[in-house]
Amino acid sequence: GAGVSQSPRYKVTKRGQDVTLRCDPISSHATLYWYQQALGQGPEFLTYFNYEAQPDKSGLPSDRFSAERPEGSISTLTIQRTEQRDSAMYRCASSPIRQATGAQYFGPGTRLLVL
Amino acid sequence: AQSVTQLDSQVPVFEEAPVELRCNYSSSVSVYLFWYVQYPNQGLQLLLKYLSGSTLVKGINGFEAEFNKSQTSFHLRKPSVHISDTAEYFCAVSNNAGGTSYGKLTFGQGTILTVHP
Repeated sequence: GAGVSQSPRYKVTKRGQDVTLRCDPISSHATLYWYQQALGQGPEFLTYFNYEAQPDKSGLPSDRFSAERPEGSISTLTIQRTEQRDSAMYRCASSPIRQATGAQYFGPGTRLLVL
Repeated sequence: AQSVTQLDSQVPVFEEAPVELRCNYSSSVSVYLFWYVQYPNQGLQLLLKYLSGSTLVKGINGFEAEFNKSQTSFHLRKPSVHISDTAEYFCAVSNNAGGTSYGKLTFGQGTILTVHP
C-alpha cells in the first residue's frame, strides 16, 4: 500500500476484555515494529518481525501481550484481559529491511482506552 | 542500553522566530540519531538523521541538527519557524551494535512546538 495503515483508529474497551489491533505495513517492507506510547511519553518498543519471524519480544510488558505476523505482511497485536494501565497509543512502523540507518515508516496509531 | 532526554516538553514561539529543541542521549554502544515529527492525526515521519561524517545535518522543511559527541547532544534548530511547524517532535537513537536490538529505536519524551502568529 501507499503507507502504513492501522485499525481501528480508536478502541474503547472494558477492563478484562481482549482486544486485537491490526497493522498493514508498506507492501514491500520486510520489517515491522510495534511501539506503545503512553500519554506524554515517547513511543516505547514492544516487539518486531522480520517477515514472519519475531526475533525480539523483549519490550512486551507481560504475557497478556502477544503479536503475530503469520504470512509476513499484516500483523496483529493482541492484549488479553486488558487493564487500565494498557491505555495508550499503539504504533506500528515498517522498514524495507532490518536496519539501523534508515527511517521507519509509521502508521497513524490506534488509541486504546480501557475503562 | 540507551536513553534519550528531551529537555523541554513544550516550546512556544512566535512565527518567523528561531527555535531550538534540545535532545541529550546516553548509550553504552554506538548509535545513530534521528528526529521524527508528528503532525496532528498523522503518524511519525522522519525529519532528519545523523549517521556519520559532518556533524551538521539538514532535514526537510528547513530544519537542521548538530551532533555533539562530547556533550552527547543532538539539538534540532530552525532559523525561522512557520505556523505549519506546529507539531510534536521526537528525538530518537537507533542501536547499530548488532544483535537482536539492532535497529530498535529508543525515543525521547517528545517536545510540543507551538508556533503563534
